[in-house]
Amino acid sequence: EAQVTQNPRYLITVTGKKLTVTCSQNMNHEYMSWYRQDPGLGLRQIYYSMNVEVTDKGDVPEGYKVSRKEKRNFPLILESPSPNQTSLYFCASSPLRGGAETQYFGPGTRLLVL
Amino acid sequence: RKEVEQDPGPFNVPEGATVAFNCTYSNSASQSFFWYRQDCRKEPKLLMSVYSSGNEDGRFTAQLNRASQYISLLIRDSKLSDSATYLCVVGGSSYKLIFGSGTRLLVRP
Repeated sequence: EAQVTQNPRYLITVTGKKLTVTCSQNMNHEYMSWYRQDPGLGLRQIYYSMNVEVTDKGDVPEGYKVSRKEKRNFPLILESPSPNQTSLYFCASSPLRGGAETQYFGPGTRLLVL
Repeated sequence: RKEVEQDPGPFNVPEGATVAFNCTYSNSASQSFFWYRQDCRKEPKLLMSVYSSGNEDGRFTAQLNRASQYISLLIRDSKLSDSATYLCVVGGSSYKLIFGSGTRLLVRP
């Protein structure tokens, strides 16, 4: 089954404790992206990747890191989480066909930073 | 001004009603347009792409007006299962998608 998976689905942590949210896709998509969703603000892009070892900042990259060592995986790293990073996070992937394509989303990760 | 703007609703309609959502976008160079559906705090899922000539998928009809930079979604014969948030999504010449904040639809019995 074609899918995007994220782990963990739910996470409660404390300020400053490093964490990683994993994202994996089995569709051989080149493009992967991380979003956060907050009430009234919609989905905002954090980072994206066009292919292995190619990553770039989205609209709200502060406080986040990513890596793309393999095509299928695109982990999101919070080196020192803060309460304003409490949010719902989605990973998404799409093929590259010359423009913005339909993106397929993972199930989401709910993060609470105390 | 937001790049993609939607009326947040909620739109509260009875079963069987016809309901229309509009969305405006600010970047005239935008090239791809979509409607996504999102159930309560779940992942967004593609409902339909929007083409210049307009397109229909069962009870759903999408229209694009490039001159006025707006996109519409019409839902006919609303079902209880249509209750969700509908996201207007716009893509430019890059691979980035810009999401509207969503319009919430509640279909009541």
